[in-house]
Amino acid sequence: SQQGEEDPQALSIQEGENATMNCSYKTSINNLQWYRQNSGRGLVHLILIRSNEREKHSGRLRVTLDTSKKSSSLLITASRAADTASYFCATVLGYGSGNTGKLIFGQGTTLQVKP
Amino acid sequence: DTEVTQTPKHLVMGMTNKKSLKCEQHMGHRAMYWYKQKAKKPPELMFVYSYEKLSINESVPSRFSPECPNSSLLNLHLHALQPEDSALYLCASSHPTGPTHYGYTFGSGTRLTVV
Repeated sequence: SQQGEEDPQALSIQEGENATMNCSYKTSINNLQWYRQNSGRGLVHLILIRSNEREKHSGRLRVTLDTSKKSSSLLITASRAADTASYFCATVLGYGSGNTGKLIFGQGTTLQVKP
Repeated sequence: DTEVTQTPKHLVMGMTNKKSLKCEQHMGHRAMYWYKQKAKKPPELMFVYSYEKLSINESVPSRFSPECPNSSLLNLHLHALQPEDSALYLCASSHPTGPTHYGYTFGSGTRLTVV
């Protein structure tokens, strides 16, 4: 079962515009992570926000977390064509032996940035 | 070395073949993961290894057999696969408490086609 639901499913913007993606989740979390995946490739970890944080920045990325609403958003400012990719939120859903968590991904948002 | 290396990048196999996917990391991570990703879907967790021991098996069919021979290597042995098993197989690694404090590092994946 998937933990996160993202919207929109697809987003198309012009270069230079901002892109906002949203993620909702169901259970309590320790942290929420965002990943980027270029077409058919591996995922790249972008940013991790802990449950006691409300906002975090990394370069052109801004992530917010609202634990009362069980939601997070990823904002990419001044987008570039190279930002074209799929973006996934992910949270830990349960633990196995050795306290190693199960990182479960949301459905993802496909972002297209037009030059 | 901050990479996870997966080989081969592409694999075509018949339903009666036996093949193996290989994953290697030299970051000292003691947790390693296999994910399966179908087109336009999020990655789905298959197996988790923590300190070379199987920690989580997400009810994966026995035609997929994971192996962790040492702290740097993770294999996925494939036997009698079905065409619906065609997908991108992703390996990842992290600190054992990775999802709690850190993100995962993903390989670029093996694109598997079962004919």
